[in-house]
Order: sequence, then structure tokens, then C-alpha cells
Amino acid sequence: KAGVTQTPRYLIKTRGQQVTLSCSPISGHRSVSWYQQTPGQGLQFLFEYFSETQRNKGNFPGRFSGRQFSNSRSEMNVSTLELGDSALYLCASSLTGGNTGELFFGEGSRLTVL
Amino acid sequence: GENVEQHPSTLSVQEGDSAVIKCTYSDSASNYFPWYKQELGKGPQLIIDIRSNVGEKKDQRIAVTLNKTAKHFSLHITETQPEDSAVYFCAASNRAAGNKLTFGGGTRVLVKP
Repeated sequence: KAGVTQTPRYLIKTRGQQVTLSCSPISGHRSVSWYQQTPGQGLQFLFEYFSETQRNKGNFPGRFSGRQFSNSRSEMNVSTLELGDSALYLCASSLTGGNTGELFFGEGSRLTVL
Repeated sequence: GENVEQHPSTLSVQEGDSAVIKCTYSDSASNYFPWYKQELGKGPQLIIDIRSNVGEKKDQRIAVTLNKTAKHFSLHITETQPEDSAVYFCAASNRAAGNKLTFGGGTRVLVKP
């Protein structure tokens, strides 16, 4: 069974640009969550999608957005990039939408903003 | 909102010794407490979890204890091996928050052979 797949794995952008990251969950999983990991702030929740609906959102500015497609694949977008957006962006999928099942994380997309 | 604190931030142990990592949480509504292990270049992987209706759970060399009254939970690794070297994260969530996990700051564990 394939795990959570995130693309691209590495990318470099400059300030002011935008970026789109993609996440393919484990087959059959309908919940996709996104987390930002930085050395200073640790792992922080961005948002969760379940059946194409955003169920929960963390404390990030509106420049961070996401969506989920009917096949459960998800994308997150960051517009007007800032240096502080440099981070590892992790996607996690789960079978259920509540906190009743395990979260399976992908290996992340490492974004560097210059 | 929920706040999770984790200690220590680094832990060095001799192979075969035990390692203990402690976390405290602030939200009494939290009912799910997973522990994740993250190896270099990889995403976090669940190693054990506990729910608020249970006080202790064991899986081979790993155990987790939960004290709901004091709002703290701990990870115990016995007979440590070099492959246990990694960063460990505790987390907490409540039913209303769905799959939103609030993570502790992480503990870098080094097991010296």
C-alpha cells in the first residue's frame, strides 16, 4: 500500500512569488491535514480537509490556502512568499475526520524562500 | 487553545539504558495523545498513542503513561538501541478539533553505542 506522497520534495522560490504543494493521501483516506515544520516554531497545524471541505484552520495568515479534490488529493498554496515561510511542509492523511484514527505523514516538501 | 510543552529538548543515553520524555498539556478537553518519531529527512511516524480513558499503554520496549488530573503524559523507552536515535514529538488533540494535533517542541534522542 503506497504511503502519503508529497510533491515536489524540494523547491526554491524568491520573496513575493507563490508556491503550490501537492499531497496524495493513502488510498481510501478522506482526511488530509497540512503542517508547517520550522526549527523555531516546531510543528504547527495549517488546515485539515475532509471530503473536499475545510474542517479546521490554524493560526496562519490568509496567504496560506488549500483545497481538496474529489479523489482526496490536496494542494496547498502560499502566495506572496516571505523569508519566514521557509519550512518543511508536511501532509498527513487519515481514514477518518475525527481524532479517532492514526495520522500518516508524508516526507514533506522543503521550501526555501530567498 | 491547546498548549503542549515537552522536556527535555535533548536526551543522550547509553545503549541499553532507558529514556523518558515528559509532556504537559493545557486543555482539559484533550482526549488523544500520540507520540511520533521523526528520523532525518523523513516525516513523523506514529510509535504509540493513548486515549484519555486509559492510564498506561505498552508496546514492546515503548510505553506511555497519562495522568489526566495533572495533565501530563510521558514516553518511556526501555533497552534503548542506536536505531532509537531520532527526534520524538508528543502531541494532543480533542474530538472537536478533528485531526488537528498540537505538538510539543520535540526531544532529540541520541543513543550512544
